[in-house]
Amino acid sequence: AQSVTQLGSHVSVSEGALVLLRCNYSSSVPPYLFWYVQYPNQGLQLLLKYTSAATLVKGINGFEAEFKKSETSFHLTKPSAHMSDAAEYFCAVSGASGGSYIPTFGRGTSLIVHP
Amino acid sequence: DGGITQSPKYLFRKEGQNVTLSCEQNLNHDAMYWYRQDPGQGLRLIYYSQIVNDFQKGDIAEGYSVSREKKESFPLTVTSAQKNPTAFYLCASSSRGSTGELFFGEGSRLTVL
Repeated sequence: AQSVTQLGSHVSVSEGALVLLRCNYSSSVPPYLFWYVQYPNQGLQLLLKYTSAATLVKGINGFEAEFKKSETSFHLTKPSAHMSDAAEYFCAVSGASGGSYIPTFGRGTSLIVHP
Repeated sequence: DGGITQSPKYLFRKEGQNVTLSCEQNLNHDAMYWYRQDPGQGLRLIYYSQIVNDFQKGDIAEGYSVSREKKESFPLTVTSAQKNPTAFYLCASSSRGSTGELFFGEGSRLTVL
């Protein structure tokens, strides 16, 4: 069984401030973890993924995330927010189940960036 | 360019009517998925297919049906049995050997009047 909890349905930051979006996961097998971004009325785009190599993962648009097994967390960060970062962000977890990897998504966090 | 094409982008239907959403991919991916997205509920899996002529129910399959007659195509039918069909529907695909990374289409927004 696997699940994802994203803390905070909305996060509001000022332009130039640190972005921190929280994700905790539960998985009975070694997890693979993902962050996706969604702009209004569009599909999801992969930001970054953890696949058991380095625990600190760098993605597109200056985002990064750190896998912490002891805390079962995979929080997404960006040092300085830009107006164009305003979007919905989804954390997802997958793990081997019968030879398949079907991801489970969190409920999403809406990032609001103020000028 | 390779990608996933969903159509139509917007669809309006009357209650009691079946509607079929199209999903086509030219990524040569083996697996395809349908998710439903509602505000504040994230993405919920409706159906998925890992090979042609085979598919499995996801978490919320009731009121939906699918087919996978070709590798490139995975249409979703929203039947009149689906009690609350108004939603944003997302199609996705993944390659053989993927550990869960999905490629998404642009989505179809269905509104039932």
